[in-house]
Amino acid sequence: DAGVTQSPTHLIKTRGQQVTLRCSPKSGHDTVSWYQQALGQGPQFIFQYYEEEERQRGNFPDRFSGHQFPNYSSELNVNALLLGDSALYLCASSFTAPSYEQYFGPGTRLTVT
Amino acid sequence: EDQVTQSPEALRLQEGESSSLNCSYTVSGLRGLFWYRQDPGKGPEFLFTLYSAGEEKEKERLKATLTKKESFLHITAPKPEDSATYLCAVQEYGQNFVFGPGTRLSVLP
Repeated sequence: DAGVTQSPTHLIKTRGQQVTLRCSPKSGHDTVSWYQQALGQGPQFIFQYYEEEERQRGNFPDRFSGHQFPNYSSELNVNALLLGDSALYLCASSFTAPSYEQYFGPGTRLTVT
Repeated sequence: EDQVTQSPEALRLQEGESSSLNCSYTVSGLRGLFWYRQDPGKGPEFLFTLYSAGEEKEKERLKATLTKKESFLHITAPKPEDSATYLCAVQEYGQNFVFGPGTRLSVLP
């Protein structure tokens, strides 16, 4: 049973550029959430997708956007990158119901220079 | 606003020395409290979900408990491979996960 997968593993971008990160959920899961984790901190919720729509959003600017595809995979897009966007980006998948446990992928390490 | 705190920030134990990690939370209506383990540079690994005060869950050397305001992760006779950051997260009904900052555990041989 494949778990949550993310690509790429590492990414280096220049300030002002745009980036797209990808996530495939655990088999059978239909909900995908994205988190940003700065070094030494807990993950911060960015947004959650269900049925190809953004269902909830955390306190992140509009530069952060996403998409969910019919096969439940998801993308996170960040425009106009800032140095402060450097972090580990985590994707988590879950069932809509009855269990809400979220299972995380290995993350994408984004470095903005 | 939801708030989750964890203590201590870091903990160093000798192999076999049991201890507890604390997660304190303030939410209006708790849907669930979740414990994760995270190794450096990797994604969090799910450990437990607790739903109501008085509930307990066990897995190998780990035992999680829940009260109305806090949760404890008890580690019995830890081994060096238990070294990791332990994260707790709370979910209010209809809301997303809110994570604490984590406790960095080091178990020395």
